[in-house]
Amino acid sequence: QSALTQPASVSGSPGQSITISCTGTSSDVGNFDFVSWYQHHPGKAPKVLIYRVNERPSGVSNRFSGSKSGNTASLTISGLQTEDEGDYFCCSYGGRLWVFGGGTKLTVL
Amino acid sequence: QMQLVESGGGVVQPGGSLRLSCEASGFTFFSTAMHWVRQVPGKGLEWVSFIQFDGSFKWYADTVKGRFTISRDDSKNTLYLQMNNLTAEDGALYYCATAINYYMEVWGRGTTVTVSS
Repeated sequence: QSALTQPASVSGSPGQSITISCTGTSSDVGNFDFVSWYQHHPGKAPKVLIYRVNERPSGVSNRFSGSKSGNTASLTISGLQTEDEGDYFCCSYGGRLWVFGGGTKLTVL
Repeated sequence: QMQLVESGGGVVQPGGSLRLSCEASGFTFFSTAMHWVRQVPGKGLEWVSFIQFDGSFKWYADTVKGRFTISRDDSKNTLYLQMNNLTAEDGALYYCATAINYYMEVWGRGTTVTVSS
């Protein structure tokens, strides 16, 4: 049950696009289309942004999109806004368990 | 609206026990599967346990298997996590979350567990 691998940090300017990668294995990301992404601001409850690789829950901006290729999933945020700054986690179902990424801190410069 | 409120965290000595609760409101708890997830300060999220809506499946992370027990009381709209034989590595902010379509839809704000002598 090793954690999924995410970059520790990414940054971008308002209006730009950024992509956060999430690398797992053939036992989790590569084997199931059940990758989800969460935004977390310290002190608040995490918020789901993407589920089932590329599905957006109602109310989530279409600036957030997800994709997957092989053992790597990606979250793209387009039209960066200052309020997007925070921590982002990926998660994958792995067969009777779930595994999270280590998290990526997004800084909007 | 859908809401989850965790409680029961605190300071416990190594080897001790603690029971966390998660009270649900604003949705049909009895038909909803649930997760416990934890986060060590400054670290990533770690999935801890899952319970099916009817309690028929209970899955655990290897790091807690045999020490933690997940359960639910639908009459009280409450999810529980009984934690035994706690170690310093179990100290974290514990969240409960609803389980929908293999993801965590609604989260609480968490309750803090500190394991220290």
